[in-house]
Amino acid sequence: DGGITQSPKYLFRKEGQNVTLSCEQNLNHDAMYWYRQDPGQGLRLIYYSQIVNDFQKGDIAEGYSVSREKKESFPLTVTSAQKNPTAFYLCASSPSDRETQYFGPGTRLLVL
Amino acid sequence: QKEVEQNSGPLSVPEGAIASLNCTYSDRGSQSFFWYRQYSGKSPELIMSIYSNGDKEDGRFTAQLNKASQYVSLLIRDSQPSDSATYLCAVGPFSGGYNKLIFGAGTRLAVHP
Repeated sequence: DGGITQSPKYLFRKEGQNVTLSCEQNLNHDAMYWYRQDPGQGLRLIYYSQIVNDFQKGDIAEGYSVSREKKESFPLTVTSAQKNPTAFYLCASSPSDRETQYFGPGTRLLVL
Repeated sequence: QKEVEQNSGPLSVPEGAIASLNCTYSDRGSQSFFWYRQYSGKSPELIMSIYSNGDKEDGRFTAQLNKASQYVSLLIRDSQPSDSATYLCAVGPFSGGYNKLIFGAGTRLAVHP
């Protein structure tokens, strides 16, 4: 089955801790994205990558970091500098950066 | 500031009725328009995409685009309780090479039996 997987489904972060969210796709898509969703708000773009070994900041990149070492994988690290990390994190991919985006199931991050 | 506006709702319709969801956008150079459905606690799933003025139909869903009025809508015919969800409008890419999607905050639809 082709698709996008995200893990874990739920993640708990302690104060001062960095945590990494996994996103993997087997759709052979070039472009991948990370969004954050807060209650009552639209999706906000954190980072995106149009091609392997290249990525750009989105609208709310502060406190986050990413890597794109493989076409299939685009992990997101939420660093201790992100003071309000509690949110629903969504990974998406598209064949290119101008085409329809498809979403993974999401990771819900909570702060202990 | 590129914006996509949706009425947050809830929009309440009886089962079998037509639900009409609306979205306006600020950038006249926008070229692609998407409707996603999001059930509570789940990720968005694509319902429709539309790129040209006019109507596009897919089963019970019809997307309508009017670029002159900067307006895109989604009609759901014969609404079912299973259609109860939040519907997200997404717009892009924009003029000037900004090729990312901007999402509205969504409209919550409640279909009651």
